[in-house]
Amino acid sequence: EVVLVESGGGLGKPGGSLRLSCAASGFTFGSYAMGWVRQAPGKGLEWVSSVSGSGGSTYYAESVRGRFVISRDNSKNTLFLEMNSLRAGDTAVYYCAKHYGDDWRLNWLDPWGQGTLVTVSS
Amino acid sequence: DIGMTQSPDSLAVSLGERATINCKSSQSVLYRSTQRNCLAWYQQKPGQPPKLLISWASTRENGVPDRFSGSGSGTDFTLTISSLQAEDVAVYYCHQYFSAPLTFGGGTKVEIK
Repeated sequence: EVVLVESGGGLGKPGGSLRLSCAASGFTFGSYAMGWVRQAPGKGLEWVSSVSGSGGSTYYAESVRGRFVISRDNSKNTLFLEMNSLRAGDTAVYYCAKHYGDDWRLNWLDPWGQGTLVTVSS
Repeated sequence: DIGMTQSPDSLAVSLGERATINCKSSQSVLYRSTQRNCLAWYQQKPGQPPKLLISWASTRENGVPDRFSGSGSGTDFTLTISSLQAEDVAVYYCHQYFSAPLTFGGGTKVEIK
């Protein structure tokens, strides 16, 4: 069974940083692309970023490009999201999700973790 | 960017009746090499992450009840719940994975009338 467990959420200050982690199990981690999707309170889903299985290809939503960095450690089956220059608009539940294939292109996201809440406030 | 527009925003249907949700993309999501549409449907219940129901516009995931069906091609898609059950109360999202940035519809809230 595929299990994804996010951690690292919490309260961050505007302009500050947070690092999210996603521990994966139940599949060959390095063979699949992974992504982050966020959901602001009471709102819809917004894709944030994805990384290929090897880690060599990444893509970001315009809203986070230049501020967030996605990475992965395939030896530890862990996905990361380094969030810098935080803004109030980054407040959301952040979900980690597995892409269907080893590239994020042309591959949907399933399953998703339970999410971790990030709140940006002074 | 490919915009995804869902309608209606919310829907109240009697138990056992049909629920229909529409999704329109601003560009075609048909992948010509395979002639498959890069369109998925998710169900999200309160306090839970989204759950994949359908991929490739019409392929139901293992374990998803057959009352859920997806149809459409190109830019116009539909999710149909043929006989609404109480456990189907949720928000439903369409999602295109044809091109980056990956995008989602705004969601359709399905309730019991």
